[in-house]
Amino acid sequence: AQSVSQHNHHVILSEAASLELGCNYSYGGTVNLFWYVQYPGQHLQLLLKYFSGDPLVKGIKGFEAEFIKSKFSFNLRKPSVQWSDTAEYFCAVGGSQGNLIFGKGTKLSVKP
Amino acid sequence: EAGVVQSPRYKIIEKKQPVAFWCNPISGHNTLYWYLQNLGQGPELLIRYENEEAVDDSQLPKDRFSAERLKGVDSTLKIQPAELGDSAVYLCASSLSPRNTEAFFGQGTRLTVV
Repeated sequence: AQSVSQHNHHVILSEAASLELGCNYSYGGTVNLFWYVQYPGQHLQLLLKYFSGDPLVKGIKGFEAEFIKSKFSFNLRKPSVQWSDTAEYFCAVGGSQGNLIFGKGTKLSVKP
Repeated sequence: EAGVVQSPRYKIIEKKQPVAFWCNPISGHNTLYWYLQNLGQGPELLIRYENEEAVDDSQLPKDRFSAERLKGVDSTLKIQPAELGDSAVYLCASSLSPRNTEAFFGQGTRLTVV
């Protein structure tokens, strides 16, 4: 069965620190990869997505992620976080059958 | 463009009572998902529709949960009877197609069963 693992449950950073959130998936076929963000009190929003092509994808608000096929990973990065990045981040995998599987999420708290 | 609309936003019911949630997807989106999100967890798929057909309902507890998507547009999710453990956020999402497109999410319905 497909699954998504997010390594960190809660990450606490100071403003301007660099961020990397881990995501690994288990699925042998062609996958689409997503990072969604949920700001406090708001709905899930897409940060970035990978379907094919350049494995380094750039999203909104300065976020990027790198697809490493050999490691089944799709880690999210941002060079310098801001207080407004405080949110919960979800990695998701879309399989060839159209299902969309989410990780358990990583809560990011940024201290001003 | 309007996003995915869900109602109600909040619902409090007593256990053993029925409850229904409604979702209006983005216009033109053929794929519709219902997800369950427990506190501190990621969304878990309950059911996926392609137009009016439920193509993946393997995770839907069919003894008490039911869903329908009449005419391939709006959808309702029902629980009857509700149990205390059903307290969670119920999310609806839609996408143009199941593959190679992103899913757009509604605000969710927060259900509290007392």
